[in-house]
Amino acid sequence: QVQLQESGPGLVEPSQTLSLTCTVSGDFISHGSSYWTWIRQHPGKGLEWLGYIHYSGSTNYNPSLESRIAMSVDTSKNQFSLRLRSVNAADTAVYYCARDRSTTRYGKYFDYWGQGTLVTVSS
Amino acid sequence: DIQMTQSPSSLSASVGDRVTITCRASESISTNLNWYQQKPGKAPNLFIYAASSFQSGVPSRFSGGGSGTDFTLTISGLQPEDFATYYCQQSYNIPHTFGQGTKVEIK
Repeated sequence: QVQLQESGPGLVEPSQTLSLTCTVSGDFISHGSSYWTWIRQHPGKGLEWLGYIHYSGSTNYNPSLESRIAMSVDTSKNQFSLRLRSVNAADTAVYYCARDRSTTRYGKYFDYWGQGTLVTVSS
Repeated sequence: DIQMTQSPSSLSASVGDRVTITCRASESISTNLNWYQQKPGKAPNLFIYAASSFQSGVPSRFSGGGSGTDFTLTISGLQPEDFATYYCQQSYNIPHTFGQGTKVEIK
């Protein structure tokens, strides 16, 4: 059973950097057909795709955040991470990590998600 | 970005009702359309991928269809555990985008 678990501070001060880590179990992060993804949900709102990282290190970010976002992967720990710089109140959200399964026949879909972690940006 | 528009935004229905949710893409996405169910305080859960393929464990009362720009999610015979918010999501282009969600409530 694949499981993902987010970890990191629940409170970040404005202008600082939000850092979260997702630990994967039940699958190898170096599985070539998976893209390791971050998604967020503002309180009471819809879902926003932030980007993904492949175990090779290749990334793809949401253009709306591209100047502030970075993702990394640590295959030895089976983890991947999110860093979001210069945060403000609009970055307050529940952050989810997810596995984006890429298939030839069925395209791509998020088949496993972490439980989510609320990050509040406030002083 | 490809815009995904769901309708309705919310609906009230009774147990046993047939319910249809529509998702429209701002441009053609072939069948690169997924549906998720989310319950309060929980992560979204994949229900349907590639427009009409069921994720393991999804009840047969759920069905998905469509291609190009117009898609549907139908629940035939609504059950108490189906009351939730449903999101469509396109995986055709980056950035992947979601619909705004459809909340299915008990009448």
